[in-house]
Amino acid sequence: DSGVTQTPKHLITATGQRVTLRCSPRSGDLSVYWYQQSLDQGLQFLIQYYNGEERAKGNILERFSAQQFPDLHSELNLSSLELGDSALYFCASSVAWGHEGYTFGSGTRLTVV
Amino acid sequence: EDQVTQSPEALRLQEGESSSLNCSYTVSGLRGLFWYRQDPGKGPEFLFTLYSAGEEKEKERLKATLTKKESFLHITAPKPEDSATYLCAVQGGSNYKLTFGKGTLLTVNP
Repeated sequence: DSGVTQTPKHLITATGQRVTLRCSPRSGDLSVYWYQQSLDQGLQFLIQYYNGEERAKGNILERFSAQQFPDLHSELNLSSLELGDSALYFCASSVAWGHEGYTFGSGTRLTVV
Repeated sequence: EDQVTQSPEALRLQEGESSSLNCSYTVSGLRGLFWYRQDPGKGPEFLFTLYSAGEEKEKERLKATLTKKESFLHITAPKPEDSATYLCAVQGGSNYKLTFGKGTLLTVNP
């Protein structure tokens, strides 16, 4: 157990729907990162939050949004889902902004049918 | 834009057969180069961080080295439990995100 908790582990939903993925960072970590992993693209950075504030944005679609709450957990919202959004979504956390050695959670496998 | 290219895409070894994985990178102002191990269906597990050319780090049968353009992950006398995907990532400039390569899938046969 890495200390980063992601729920749910698996999610199957239909095209056009909206889902929310949840991440609880490792105790003491203030920074949360979201990554998408698909077979052809590898791990792609989506967005980073530090202590509740957005710090960096990657190739995140406008249909996707995220936030980090006062208790430091984070949620990634995916809407108007398309078949191509099927992927593993990972959350990672670190002590500080840009700190080395991110700790990854075990991921949420999203299947859009 | 930061870029990471890993080779080979897949590598099959016999137990005890040493080899190396390559990670070539371009980055503006390297802050760190990272190696992760990922098992199927799991999140990446941190292995090493290297900060400057010439640096080396070791952990059990793994040794990571860094030059100005590439990093190598040397695997000495691998065992079947070393089978996994090995990911390389860079962090550069003022952007603190990690940019990952697509990984090398290592299979070690007994």
